[in-house]
Parts: sequence; C-alpha cells; structure tokens
Amino acid sequence: DQQVKQNSPSLSVQEGRISILNCDYTNSMFDYFLWYKKYPAEGPTFLISISSIKDKNEDGRFTVFLNKSAKHLSLHIVPSQPGDSAVYFCAASEYRGYQKVTFGTGTKLQVIP
Amino acid sequence: NAGVTQTPKFRILKIGQSMTLQCTQDMNHNYMYWYRQDPGMGLKLIYYSVGAGITDKGEVPNGYNVSRSTTEDFPLRLELAAPSQTSVYFCASSPQGVNTEAFFGQGTRLTVV
Repeated sequence: DQQVKQNSPSLSVQEGRISILNCDYTNSMFDYFLWYKKYPAEGPTFLISISSIKDKNEDGRFTVFLNKSAKHLSLHIVPSQPGDSAVYFCAASEYRGYQKVTFGTGTKLQVIP
Repeated sequence: NAGVTQTPKFRILKIGQSMTLQCTQDMNHNYMYWYRQDPGMGLKLIYYSVGAGITDKGEVPNGYNVSRSTTEDFPLRLELAAPSQTSVYFCASSPQGVNTEAFFGQGTRLTVV
C-alpha cells in the first residue's frame, strides 16, 4: 500500500523554465510534508517543508503547494538550473509516538542547459 | 561540522555472514533512524531511536538489530545476511521527533551474494 505516490519517475525541463514535481497521498492523518533532494552517491538533503495547516510555503526558487482536499502536493522550481538535476523525494509524516515518515519513490529531474 | 557519518560506503557480504553498519552524528540530535532504499522504491524505515538506550522497530525490522548506547552512535547489525538485504542503507538524525527535517548520511551500498 503506497501511501505517498510520485507517479512521474522522471522529468526533463529546459534551464530557466519552471519545474513542477507532483506528489499524491492517501493517508488523511499526515500533517507535515517534506521534499528531499538526492544527488547520486549522496544521502537525501532536506529542501522544503509545509505543515498541513498551510497551503503554500516559499523558499527562494522553491515553492511547495498543498491541496488537502485533493491530497496533492507539488514542488515548483523557478527558474530551473542545471544544478537542480537530482532525484526529488516527497515525504509525509504523522506522529505515532515518533515522527513516522513515509517516502515516495522519487522523481528524477533533469534540467537541460 | 561533519553531520551524519556512515561507514563503510560499500560492502559485499556472502550469504550468512554478519556485519555492522556504523553511524555517528555530531549534532547532539536525540532522534536517529535507519532506512533502506531498494531500486525504484522510496526509503523504508528499519529501526529508530528517540534517545540513548531507547530503540524501536520501524516498517521493515526483520533481519536487523540496533543499539543506542550513546547519543552520537546508532549502529545497525545484520546477523545472517540474505540476498533480500541487498540495498542502500541510510542513517539519519533529527533534533526532535515532530515536524522537523532529518539529516542523512551518505549511505552504505550493501550487496549480499
């Protein structure tokens, strides 16, 4: 049962354009959402997060949107840069005695110069 | 500031052998986690710890053991390696258990033959 789904395994975008990465979830108990970025042979690094009480959070070129009614999350990168090429993981958490985090399968973003 | 350090980076084990994956963090985080990532999949939680002396099972604990004798160290033990344990293992830590991002190590790529 995949509670966090990233249906696009890969995405290619021209440098300078917008990258939109999507994520859907099924568990209505998730109350905190995160995006991680992962380069090859490295561990994931935190990118941006959003609480379930918000619908938007912005940090520089990165914006995360949350649509709770649709159980949908998206990450916008504007403008996209070649250094953004990486695998992006969507993650959702609920508190069950600890912060139980469920990860999506990742979307590989390629930004073409 | 080294963050989360994992050793070794790569290892090949024969079926039935045992080994310990080391993880140490220098950020004084209470929470530590072990994840595994199989090809094309998201990260799955193996074990977690909310502080020294306290550990608990995650989603996929079978075949693994952990200990947490200090705040800094959280080793993962494989007693009888099986091919199904071929994976990339990530250790992570976070300052608290709720609504916070995790800091990941670089990962250990383990192959069981």
